[in-house]
Amino acid sequence: SQQGEEDPQALSIQEGENATMNCSYKTSINNLQWYRQNSGRGLVHLILIRSNEREKHSGRLRVTLDTSKKSSSLLITASRAADTASYFCATDLGNNDMRFGAGTRLTVKP
Amino acid sequence: DGGITQSPKYLFRKEGQNVTLSCEQNLNHDAMYWYRQDPGQGLRLIYYSQIVNDFQKGDIAEGYSVSREKKESFPLTVTSAQKNPTAFYLCASSDWPKLGEKLFFGSGTQLSVL
Repeated sequence: SQQGEEDPQALSIQEGENATMNCSYKTSINNLQWYRQNSGRGLVHLILIRSNEREKHSGRLRVTLDTSKKSSSLLITASRAADTASYFCATDLGNNDMRFGAGTRLTVKP
Repeated sequence: DGGITQSPKYLFRKEGQNVTLSCEQNLNHDAMYWYRQDPGQGLRLIYYSQIVNDFQKGDIAEGYSVSREKKESFPLTVTSAQKNPTAFYLCASSDWPKLGEKLFFGSGTQLSVL
């Protein structure tokens, strides 16, 4: 079964706007990771946040983690058409088990 | 270039046929994984290997088999017992001996049934 659930399932915005995607999970985790997938390609790691961290930044990406609510958010600021892709959260349960959500399909219109 | 190479990019299987998907990495990673992705769904773990000559089943191992004879290679065989094999298959590797931390993915193999 899938551990992480992203919402929304699909998001369409204009270039320059911010995009926010959310991930909820069910059980305790060691860390949570966000990945990006262009259509028909493999996934690319974006950022990892550990269970004892609350916020992390990488370039235009900002990730938050709320372990009390079992949720995380990924914010992409000043979006570009090249950001169009599917974004997945993955939770590391710490027992040799990493689970992926179904993803959010982001479309950034030029 | 360092990375993970999956081949072929597209593969077709006939009824009752076994097919093998190739995954090779030159990242010197100990851990390697196979995931299946169906449309509109996330990735589901088929098998993973933490070290040569050892591997463990994931959530959906039935109908699949793997081997890990070399550190660089982790081929996946889709057997005739897998009744719904049509999917996008992704191979990944990790710098850690345990599952988790950052995964590096190949570009995937699309398997279809004729």
